[in-house]
Amino acid sequence: ETGVTQSPTHLIKTRGQQVTLRCSSQSGHNTVSWYQQALGQGPQFIFQYYREEENGRGNFPPRFSGLQFPNYSSELNVNALELDDSALYLCASSTDLGLAGYEQYFGPGTRLTVT
Amino acid sequence: GQQLNQSPQSMFIQEGEDVSMNCTSSSIFNTWLWYKQEPGEGPVLLIALYKAGELTSNGRLTAQFGITRKDSFLNISASIPSDVGIYFCAGSNAGGTSYGKLTFGQGTILTVHP
Repeated sequence: ETGVTQSPTHLIKTRGQQVTLRCSSQSGHNTVSWYQQALGQGPQFIFQYYREEENGRGNFPPRFSGLQFPNYSSELNVNALELDDSALYLCASSTDLGLAGYEQYFGPGTRLTVT
Repeated sequence: GQQLNQSPQSMFIQEGEDVSMNCTSSSIFNTWLWYKQEPGEGPVLLIALYKAGELTSNGRLTAQFGITRKDSFLNISASIPSDVGIYFCAGSNAGGTSYGKLTFGQGTILTVHP
């Protein structure tokens, strides 16, 4: 069974730039959620994708957007980067099958630094 | 954003000791999960709880879903050095038309001295 993978591992961007982060879900999983984890904090929910559509969103501005592809992989796009966007971005996958759908499995994350 | 309250914030223990940590919320959840995160990695799911009052074990780990549905507890017995990491609780109200947003605590940092 292949776990959740994310790319790139690390990224350095300048304020105002745009960034795209990528995630491949665990085999057999069709739902992808994205989280932002600031240093010393717990992850904060950004949004979830199911059947290639946004299926819920946390308290993040519209410059955070995403996509899900037919193979269930996903992208997180952030426009007009701000210094406060510096964080670990985590992708988690899950299924839509009963109780197992409540369990989210995380990738290793992408460390984004905005200068 | 909303976060759950975890305590203690950090623990320094000797190898072999038992560990207890808890998580409380002002609102109810229908699912509680416990994760462990090590440096440079994503959170790893340890235990999932689905029913109020439920007690579930995974090796040396035991977790309970509080009967009020507003809290959960994690115990680690006979700690070993590889238990070192940050432990997060997470609550979810997924189901029906709700999506599976996880709300996380701020974490408990566990240090185990050999």
